[in-house]
Amino acid sequence: DAGVIQSPRHEVTEMGQEVTLRCKPISGHNSLFWYRQTMMRGLELLIYFNNNVPIDDSGMPEDRFSAKMPNASFSTLKIQPSEPRDSAVYFCASSLRGENRNSYEQYFGPGTRLTVT
Amino acid sequence: AQKVTQAQTEISVVEKEDVTLDCVYETRDTTYYLFWYKQPPSGELVFLIRRNSFDEQNEISGRYSWNFQKSTSSFNFTITASQVVDSAVYFCALKPRGMRFGAGTRLTVKP
Repeated sequence: DAGVIQSPRHEVTEMGQEVTLRCKPISGHNSLFWYRQTMMRGLELLIYFNNNVPIDDSGMPEDRFSAKMPNASFSTLKIQPSEPRDSAVYFCASSLRGENRNSYEQYFGPGTRLTVT
Repeated sequence: AQKVTQAQTEISVVEKEDVTLDCVYETRDTTYYLFWYKQPPSGELVFLIRRNSFDEQNEISGRYSWNFQKSTSSFNFTITASQVVDSAVYFCALKPRGMRFGAGTRLTVKP
């Protein structure tokens, strides 16, 4: 079975450019999460969706960041305009969220390493 | 507020030693979930275990074991007879309300 798929795996861009990261969750999972990992701040939750609806975006650092989930099998995280301090590894994860708000484990994609110069 | 503390930043052991990774959490929720993930040098995050707040039974899986104690808000992870392949960063995490990760403990197992 395919796991969480992220693209691109590496992205190098110049400051000011728009960056779009993509994620395909595991089929059947109804929750999707975007994380950012840096040495300074560790793993931070940026936003998560349940059934394609954004539930909590309090982790999104600035208005330059936006995320969408147009359907159950695709999500994007966009940074516009990008800045050098956005350089990090961005992970997408998906999970099942059961009845009675049961939480199940999240399965992570391989990550996108973003470098903004 | 939710918080996960992994006080051990780095641990180094010699192969075959036992090692315990500490995790202390804070939450006001009565229902919550705790997780451990492994991040090997290749960078991916690998799920190890999930435990809900109503299940305080300790769990053993091969060389891995977990000790959940609500009284001390701890969810510690022990690797018995460590191996070089266990070298990784290990994260403890807390849910609901998104997922909050600890800072991680870097474990190095030397041959």
